This record gives sequence, C-alpha cells and structure tokens, in this order.
Amino acid sequence: QLVVTQSPSASASLGASVKLTCTLSSGHSNNAIAWHQQQPEKGPRYLMKLNSDGSHSKGDGIPDRFSGSSSGAERYLTISSLQSEDEADYYCQAWGPGIRVFGGGTKLTVL
Amino acid sequence: QVQLVQSGAEVKTPGASVRLSCKASGYDFSTYNIQWVRQAPGQGLEWMGMINARGDRTTNAQKFQVRVTMIRDTSTSTVYMELSSLRSEDTAVYYCARDPATAPGAFDFWGQGTLVTVSS
Repeated sequence: QLVVTQSPSASASLGASVKLTCTLSSGHSNNAIAWHQQQPEKGPRYLMKLNSDGSHSKGDGIPDRFSGSSSGAERYLTISSLQSEDEADYYCQAWGPGIRVFGGGTKLTVL
Repeated sequence: QVQLVQSGAEVKTPGASVRLSCKASGYDFSTYNIQWVRQAPGQGLEWMGMINARGDRTTNAQKFQVRVTMIRDTSTSTVYMELSSLRSEDTAVYYCARDPATAPGAFDFWGQGTLVTVSS
C-alpha cells in the first residue's frame, strides 16, 4: 500500500536553509513524488516533481532557492535563504495506478 | 495563462448533495486529467478522485466510491464533481487540480478552492 510520511513540523531561522523529508512506504522506493506549498489561508501551489534519482522539474515561477533530492525511499525538499513567506505547510504527493496520496504535511516555521 | 476557476461557496444541509465545478482555460483541456482534493478545517489534503482526460473513466478513492460522481464537459472545458449524502464531516474546502494524461501523477496546477459548509 502506497503511503507517504512527513514530519509534522520543522523550523529554521530567516536566511538559513531547511531540508524537509518525505518517506515512501516499503516497495515504493522508486516512485516519483511532487512537493506542494500551502501558505496560510491560501490554496496549494505546485513546487516540483521529484524523481527517485534526484532529478526534478519545478513549476513556473518557483525560485531557485527551492530544490529537491532523493535517497532510497526518502524524498527531500531543501529551501535555502529562508524568507518569511516560506512559512507554510509543505505536502508531499505520490501516485500509483488509480491512486493519489498525500503525506500529512510539514508545517514550516521561519524564526 | 493556465487557470482552473472553481464555483462559489456552498451551504448545504445534512443529507443533501452538492455539485461543484472547475472550469479550465489557457491549456489544451483534452490532455490533462482533473483531480479533486479536499481539506477539512485545520487538516491536511485528502485525495477524493479523478476523471481522465477523455472523460470516459473516473477513479475514486475507496472512501468516496459511492458518494462521488464526476463528469467532464469538453464543450465548456469544465469538470463537475457531485458529492451526495452530505454530513457535517464533509465541511471542507474542495480543490480541483490537473495532471498530464501522458505522464499522470504530479498535480501541476490547482484551482482556488470552494468552501462547502454542511450544517443543519
């Protein structure tokens, strides 16, 4: 069964970097995923598609500060030079034949 | 530019049905699936189901197998999603999103969302 797991919260200082993690369930370590950002009181915004080899393709207008990487069943979203507007919920999304799943989301606080 | 414009907020009583719309523009409607996702107050994103690019197949999450119906109107580039037998737990913001039919998976654009409130 395809399940994606995220830590519920993370925090980092303004101007610093942070790495968020999404973990795919057993048997799905080769799956690609997508990262989405949801700022407070807004709808989700697509950030990128991230493949198992770490290659990724970002959505239109997504700053270079956002990057992705992979290791085994883990998929990472790294945000560098943190800005106040990066404070948001970040969701990992995976898929399989006839199914789409979301992780529980990570709430990022910028200190 | 790509747009997915959703219908306005709805207030429904328990047991009723609600029909939401998602109108696409700025891209070739026939080459993307449309997905539906909801978010209850203070909660995460929950996938409900999808209709394929041709409009001839729908797939629902198990939880919504019986209560969700989707149709696709190619003449107006609009997808409709109906949720029946509403209960208070269905109070949520409902989003549509698209993913490419040729490489299904990542939702690369989202609608603005529709708030549905179920209350007696």
